[in-house]
Amino acid sequence: GQNIDQPTEMTATEGAIVQINCTYQTSGFNGLFWYQQHAGEAPTFLSYNVLDGLEEKGRFSSFLSRSKGYSYLLLKELQMKDSASYLCAVEGMDSNYQLIWGAGTKLIIKP
Amino acid sequence: GAVVSQHPSRVICKSGTSVKIECRSLDFQATTMFWYRQFPKKSLMLMATSNEGSKATYEQGVEKDKFLINHASLTLSTLTVTSAHPEDSSFYICSARSGTGVNSPLHFGNGTRLTVT
Repeated sequence: GQNIDQPTEMTATEGAIVQINCTYQTSGFNGLFWYQQHAGEAPTFLSYNVLDGLEEKGRFSSFLSRSKGYSYLLLKELQMKDSASYLCAVEGMDSNYQLIWGAGTKLIIKP
Repeated sequence: GAVVSQHPSRVICKSGTSVKIECRSLDFQATTMFWYRQFPKKSLMLMATSNEGSKATYEQGVEKDKFLINHASLTLSTLTVTSAHPEDSSFYICSARSGTGVNSPLHFGNGTRLTVT
């Protein structure tokens, strides 16, 4: 079967760094996405990884290891507005670009 | 950047009535749009894939006669919840790819909060 695992909830302190892990087992792999979703709102795109390695984009970075079926999202200099759910999604081999979604990690930032 | 507009953002309807939700790609053409449903504190659940000019592809367990999808043009897909019941109350979100390459991300509409009384 296809499965994506993320921690359900994490807590971090304002100004600190937090790493949100995602492991996946899917039939085929075309890329991995990270999305941010604030409560009651639709998800917004954060990053995309298709090759192994680290992609840095400002305070957010995303890492991928295809051989390990593993990715992480790294958030630096945490701000209170970073409190949200972070969704990991993998694009399988379906020609319609369907994504397989993780359940999301709720990140709580404390002052 | 690519924008997907979804309307309405909130709707309250009586049990037995039908509700139409529109999803538009504002600055790009989308041959494929996706409709999701999200329950509280749960991840997105793909309901169906909407293909321009052809029938939608529904996920297992989603009633096609209840959730009617029409993708009449390259910029508009609609989801109609027919004979709505309280259990249909949920957050519905549409999305579309802004490009054809595998590295073009999904762009989401702002979602529609449906409450059936």
